Amino acid sequence: GAVVSQHPSWVICKSGTSVKIECRSLDFQATTMFWYRQFPKQSLMLMATSNEGSKATYEQGVEKDKFLINHASLTLSTLTVTSAHPEDSSFYICSAGQGSGEKLFFGSGTQLSVL
Amino acid sequence: EDKVVQSPLSLVVHEGDTVTLNCSYEVTNFRSLLWYKQEKKAPTFLFMLTSSGIEKKSGRLSSILDKKELFSILNITATQTGDSAVYLCAVAPGNTGKLIFGQGTTLQVKP
Repeated sequence: GAVVSQHPSWVICKSGTSVKIECRSLDFQATTMFWYRQFPKQSLMLMATSNEGSKATYEQGVEKDKFLINHASLTLSTLTVTSAHPEDSSFYICSAGQGSGEKLFFGSGTQLSVL
Repeated sequence: EDKVVQSPLSLVVHEGDTVTLNCSYEVTNFRSLLWYKQEKKAPTFLFMLTSSGIEKKSGRLSSILDKKELFSILNITATQTGDSAVYLCAVAPGNTGKLIFGQGTTLQVKP
């Protein structure tokens, strides 16, 4: 199946700093990528839809100024958690699909711990 | 509001048992239902279902969708310890590509 690479897989940062997470589709072009967040023992919650060449679409309750999404190319989307706080500590995971279908492939995820 | 509900939330069985995981949904403009297995990090794709009554099968795993009653089941026969994972059900509303996930079912298979 298609490969989606996510980096870094694990990051610890101090409160108030910003963290950038990259999501790459390695063997296909993705005009749309999705960013999810997963708290321990909970399911994946969609944060935003990343659209190549245009602004991301955020789900209700997700602060767009805090979670900056950039999708500058057909193979790369980035999520920047700005001024991170301990409550932002979570598992962040991206996904991308081929064509117009919804058979999504997931990155390996990023565990963010904010001290 | 679109929602996906899975049951049970957790399940403990012994190797060789057969398990059935349930997923019910309420979503506008249903397009498809997907099952994923999540062990440690990234969910891995299992099945995508779009039509009622057509069973999809892969080895010991099978799944079927009932669009009238708005649910799907995932069956695992002859379970093995390697089947221990969180099984996620997700529904795609419309053709946006985004998915709405259920809470997941945590399956533990004991030797």
